[in-house]
Amino acid sequence: KAGVTQTPRYLIKTRGQQVTLSCSPISGHRSVSWYQQTPGQGLQFLFEYFSETQRNKGNFPGRFSGRQFSNSRSEMNVSTLELGDSALYLCASRDSPRTGELFFGEGSRLTVL
Amino acid sequence: DQQVKQNSPSLSVQEGRISILNCDYTNSMFDYFLWYKKYPAEGPTFLISISSIKDKNEDGRFTVFLNKSAKHLSLHIVPSQPGDSAVYFCAASPSNYQLIWGAGTKLIIKP
Repeated sequence: KAGVTQTPRYLIKTRGQQVTLSCSPISGHRSVSWYQQTPGQGLQFLFEYFSETQRNKGNFPGRFSGRQFSNSRSEMNVSTLELGDSALYLCASRDSPRTGELFFGEGSRLTVL
Repeated sequence: DQQVKQNSPSLSVQEGRISILNCDYTNSMFDYFLWYKKYPAEGPTFLISISSIKDKNEDGRFTVFLNKSAKHLSLHIVPSQPGDSAVYFCAASPSNYQLIWGAGTKLIIKP
């Protein structure tokens, strides 16, 4: 079965712009989480969605938002981009928020100039 | 406040020897722990997990040890192989199942 798919894989934006990233989870998985990875910071949790509802939220400003659709696909949006938003954004899916193992996509590499 | 710490940013080990990766946590509410492995340009992949009711879990060359009193876990890889070179992340989960991640340790296996 197909893995977690993230699009786009790479993108370059300038400060002040906004960006939308997309994630298609593994078929049957209803929970989608988003993470930001920067060098030396590990994986910083952004939010988790389950059945179109945000279940958990990390400590990121309101410029970072997300949503989940009825088919479990998810999008995250970052508005008013800052240089510090340059990172690898990873999406992960699992059966439900109560199952520990996450399956990750390959990530979307965002560069903000 | 880092609740999950991997204090070694990198580790270099000779092929065939044992690799030991360490992880410390501060929150006693964590009851489920996982290790993930990440290659460049790929997402992390699940390696092995352990629940707080156990102190050891083994899967082939990989063994995870949990010391609850010390709030410490470690991943042992024996024997180490070149394909094990990657970044290893430790993650911990409290009862609400949100994973808290360490910063990762880059493991380099020397031939």
